Amino acid sequence: IAGITQAPTSQILAAGRRMTLRCTQDMRHNAMYWYRQDLGLGLRLIHYSNTAGTTGKGEVPDGYSVSRANTDDFPLTLASAVPSQTSVYFCASSEGSGGGDEQFFGPGTRLTVL
Amino acid sequence: GQNIDQPTEMTATEGAIVQINCTYQTSGFNGLFWYQQHAGEAPTFLSYNVLDGLEEKGRFSSFLSRSKGYSYLLLKELQMKDSASYLCAVRDSDYKLSFGAGTTVTVRA
Repeated sequence: IAGITQAPTSQILAAGRRMTLRCTQDMRHNAMYWYRQDLGLGLRLIHYSNTAGTTGKGEVPDGYSVSRANTDDFPLTLASAVPSQTSVYFCASSEGSGGGDEQFFGPGTRLTVL
Repeated sequence: GQNIDQPTEMTATEGAIVQINCTYQTSGFNGLFWYQQHAGEAPTFLSYNVLDGLEEKGRFSSFLSRSKGYSYLLLKELQMKDSASYLCAVRDSDYKLSFGAGTTVTVRA
């Protein structure tokens, strides 16, 4: 089934630990995105990639890093987790062609940092 | 950057019509999107507007006025399954989306 997957589904993490959230899409989309969603704040863009080999910073990039070694995968790494990074993380992808280029979202990862 | 405002909550009766307003201030506009998000699930695409006017898609319609920085999503013939959050998102000239905080719609029998 074509789509976008994320792993893990949920995770409880001790502060100071390193964590990588995985995201894979099989739609051959050029663009991929990472968002965090917090109550009352909506979805906020962390990092994005317009095409394999390139990445860019979104609205809230501090404390996060990404890589885009190939078209399908876009992992998000928290180098040293802090409690304020407790959130639901969504990965998304789009064709990146402009126009009515909708973003498709993964099921999300619920992360708790203690 | 973008500043996007939408009401926090709305309640309506099954079979009724609800209009969710969204106002935005943008440094570069390249389209407006509406997404639906059920509790505990991922957002899913509903509609896209880039030109002024109304786009109709079955029971859902979306309107855009670029000069007023205003959009609305109209949900007709409400069903219980329409209870969800509705997210307004503006795309900038770099093709990045900025989302409003979302409007939670509760449909009552």
